[in-house]
Amino acid sequence: GAVVSQHPSWVICKSGTSVKIECRSLDFQATTMFWYRQFPKQSLMLMATSNEGSKATYEQGVEKDKFLINHASLTLSTLTVTSAHPEDSSFYICSARKGGTTEGYGYTFGSGTRLTVV
Amino acid sequence: GESVGLHLPTLSVQEGDNSIINCAYSNSASDYFIWYKQESGKGPQFIIDIRSNMDKRQGQRVTVLLNKTVKHLSLQIAATQPGDSAVYFCAERYTGRRALTFGSGTRLQVQP
Repeated sequence: GAVVSQHPSWVICKSGTSVKIECRSLDFQATTMFWYRQFPKQSLMLMATSNEGSKATYEQGVEKDKFLINHASLTLSTLTVTSAHPEDSSFYICSARKGGTTEGYGYTFGSGTRLTVV
Repeated sequence: GESVGLHLPTLSVQEGDNSIINCAYSNSASDYFIWYKQESGKGPQFIIDIRSNMDKRQGQRVTVLLNKTVKHLSLQIAATQPGDSAVYFCAERYTGRRALTFGSGTRLQVQP
């Protein structure tokens, strides 16, 4: 099956610093990856869609200069939270989509990264 | 903008009973729907999906029903078990869009 690995699973950083989160598709090539943010007891909110070799498409209200997304290969996308502040503390989840696959399993989610900014 | 929403934030059932989780969606242009299960501190786990040209699909102990007339989606879980306790989300994909849009979620609590 399709497996997506997300790292780190949790991170604590100081306010003003930057944090990088990695999302890897382990056994398939992901033409498209998605980044979501989830606050406690809330739903997943799409932040951006990234495509290998091109710029990410950000959702309305998401600061592209603050949340840097790089999708340099078909198996790796990274999300960098720059100049993090306490309000950026959240659960970040990536999803990778396997091209040309059966629906459902085409969208595979990572295990999430708990970011705490102190 | 349009979004997917749910009627019940929390559903409590007895072990062995059947559970029904509902979802209302507002975008008539959605062509694909998925139900996910999310346990605390983990990413969403695929349960079952359905295309807009279908009205019912069955899996192991789960059934998804789609009523396009009233824009309603439901997840039925048969013989609910304690391990089914989690938050359940419906997600939709708008036609022509690659990303999924998630509903607000329902917490399912299974009482032993």
